[in-house]
Amino acid sequence: GQQVMQIPQYQHVQEGEDFTTYCNSSTTLSNIQWYKQRPGGHPVFLIQLVKSGEVKKQKRLTFQFGEAKKNSSLHITATQTTDVGTYFCAGPTRVDSSYKLIFGSGTRLLVRP
Amino acid sequence: DSGVTQTPKHLITATGQRVTLRCSPRSGDLSVYWYQQSLDQGLQFLIQYYNGEERAKGNILERFSAQQFPDLHSELNLSSLELGDSALYFCASSIGLAGSTDTQYFGPGTRLTVL
Repeated sequence: GQQVMQIPQYQHVQEGEDFTTYCNSSTTLSNIQWYKQRPGGHPVFLIQLVKSGEVKKQKRLTFQFGEAKKNSSLHITATQTTDVGTYFCAGPTRVDSSYKLIFGSGTRLLVRP
Repeated sequence: DSGVTQTPKHLITATGQRVTLRCSPRSGDLSVYWYQQSLDQGLQFLIQYYNGEERAKGNILERFSAQQFPDLHSELNLSSLELGDSALYFCASSIGLAGSTDTQYFGPGTRLTVL
């Protein structure tokens, strides 16, 4: 079945350094969604990318969707301690009469102040 | 605050027991999803309901069942509990009309500990 892989598993950075997590799907995706889960919290929707090659920015966060719609990345510029958490990508796959989201394993970001 | 509520927040029980987790979706959302999150398995989709009907099934064990009621709240029933069922259980909701582009909003989760 469809798989969504994410690397790295962990990233420990000094505050102010940049951070990137990469997401790869075994199949072409209609869209990709990114979620952030703070320690002890629940996943929170960040953004959805739909078009091939799409790039979206949210302040210091830059999201990209690959040309083949099989990979995506999230880049954070000048990390802050508030960026701490696990970042998940998720891609939809058809199941029964609906869709389910396949989540990547997540990248846990730790930021040293 | 996502607008999705889940109760209880924590649940501690013994092997062999049965528990019920409850979820109320955001106002206006018709779809409810259940996920299990454990350390070694990540976020695993269990089941989806849309307007009271089961729509999609994931890796849900036969010991687990769910339903969505006319007021759209949902319950996840876990029976014959095993140690390995200890995990965080999240409910998420979405409008349910956008298909693959539906955005899901997660509740705070129920932490289940089976002793």
